[in-house]
Amino acid sequence: EAQVTQNPRYLITVTGKKLTVTCSQNMNHEYMSWYRQDPGLGLRQIYYSMNVEVTDKGDVPEGYKVSRKEKRNFPLILESPSPNQTSLYFCASTAGGQAGTSGVYNEQFFGPGTRLTVL
Amino acid sequence: QKEVEQDPGPLSVPEGAIVSLNCTYSNSAFQYFMWYRQYSRKGPELLMYTYSSGNKEDGRFTAQVDKSSKYISLFIRDSQPSDSATYLCAMSKGLTGGGNKLTFGTGTQLKVEL
Repeated sequence: EAQVTQNPRYLITVTGKKLTVTCSQNMNHEYMSWYRQDPGLGLRQIYYSMNVEVTDKGDVPEGYKVSRKEKRNFPLILESPSPNQTSLYFCASTAGGQAGTSGVYNEQFFGPGTRLTVL
Repeated sequence: QKEVEQDPGPLSVPEGAIVSLNCTYSNSAFQYFMWYRQYSRKGPELLMYTYSSGNKEDGRFTAQVDKSSKYISLFIRDSQPSDSATYLCAMSKGLTGGGNKLTFGTGTQLKVEL
């Protein structure tokens, strides 16, 4: 089954304790990204990766790190979590070859989410 | 001002009703307009998308885009309790690389009651 998996699904931690949220996809997609979802703000992109070893900042990258050493995995790292990073996090992946003006949209597939609470 | 505005609801309708969900946007560079559905404790899943202006129909769902007004709509006919979810509009410039970023509305929570 084609899917994006995330672990853990739920995490409660304390300020300053480094953590990693893993993301893996089995669709051989080039493009992967991380979003956070907050009430009243919707989904906002944190980081994205266009391929192995190619990553770039999204709209809200402060306090986060990512790496893309393998095509299927795209972990999100919080080196020193703070309470304002309490949120629902989603990983997503898309096939490469963007749509441009062709009219064909390459769907972004989302993982099930990770609910993070930082105390 | 947000790039994409969406009424958060909640919206409660009786089974069988026609539902209208809407978003407005400010960036004329958006070319792809998507509707995602998100059930509680799940990730968003693509419902349908439209490229540029026009209508698109898929079963009970119809998506409309009016680029001149920067306004998009999703209509659900004969709504069912299983349609109860949060509906997110999303938009993309359709560019290469990082331009594939989706810009989301905040979502409208819909409940269809028996």
